[in-house]
Amino acid sequence: KNQVEQSPQSLIILEGKNCTLQCNYTVSPFSNLRWYKQDTGRGPVSLTIMTFSENTKSNGRYTATLDADTKQSSLHITASQLSDSASYICVVRTGGFKTIFGAGTRLFVKA
Amino acid sequence: DVKVTQSSRYLVKRTGEKVFLECVQDMDHENMFWYRQDPGLGLRLIYFSYDVKMKEKGDIPEGYSVSREKKERFSLILESASTNQTSMYLCASSQRERLETQYFGPGTRLLVL
Repeated sequence: KNQVEQSPQSLIILEGKNCTLQCNYTVSPFSNLRWYKQDTGRGPVSLTIMTFSENTKSNGRYTATLDADTKQSSLHITASQLSDSASYICVVRTGGFKTIFGAGTRLFVKA
Repeated sequence: DVKVTQSSRYLVKRTGEKVFLECVQDMDHENMFWYRQDPGLGLRLIYFSYDVKMKEKGDIPEGYSVSREKKERFSLILESASTNQTSMYLCASSQRERLETQYFGPGTRLLVL
């Protein structure tokens, strides 16, 4: 069964600290993996996208990694800011029209 | 900038009412999607459309229908709203071959009483 699992479900960190969010998938065939950020009350906005051959991709303070062998991805946030408080959603595309969404990790950044 | 708009941010309806959720995109995208988002379940695909008048069922189409009469507009219809359809509804669009690059609207939070 195609699944995308994210951990932790929620996370609280202090402003300025780093954190890492995890995404494990059992999707086949694999096409690409994308991380979205969703602010409260808003639609998701894309952060990064990675294909099978890409191991790391950065977008400012966000760095995503992909290990296609172990089917794991992580999103690392450096020097967190209050505005990083949001849900982070991992999405994997298989063949055709199928995209599978993880349930998300809810991040709270405290001053 | 890509813009996807949804007709309402918040909606309160009664059980049995017919509900229309409208979505409009301004980027001439071929694909449009309707999702619902519930805590702990992530986004689940209800229906999608890859062209005008074309539609495909997603993972949870029961209790919903859709309409795409124009390329820029994709409507989600709840024929007879039920309390278990209380949820956040998100519309998205993408270019034909770029399914992974979906642009989302702000969402409609629907409460069915």
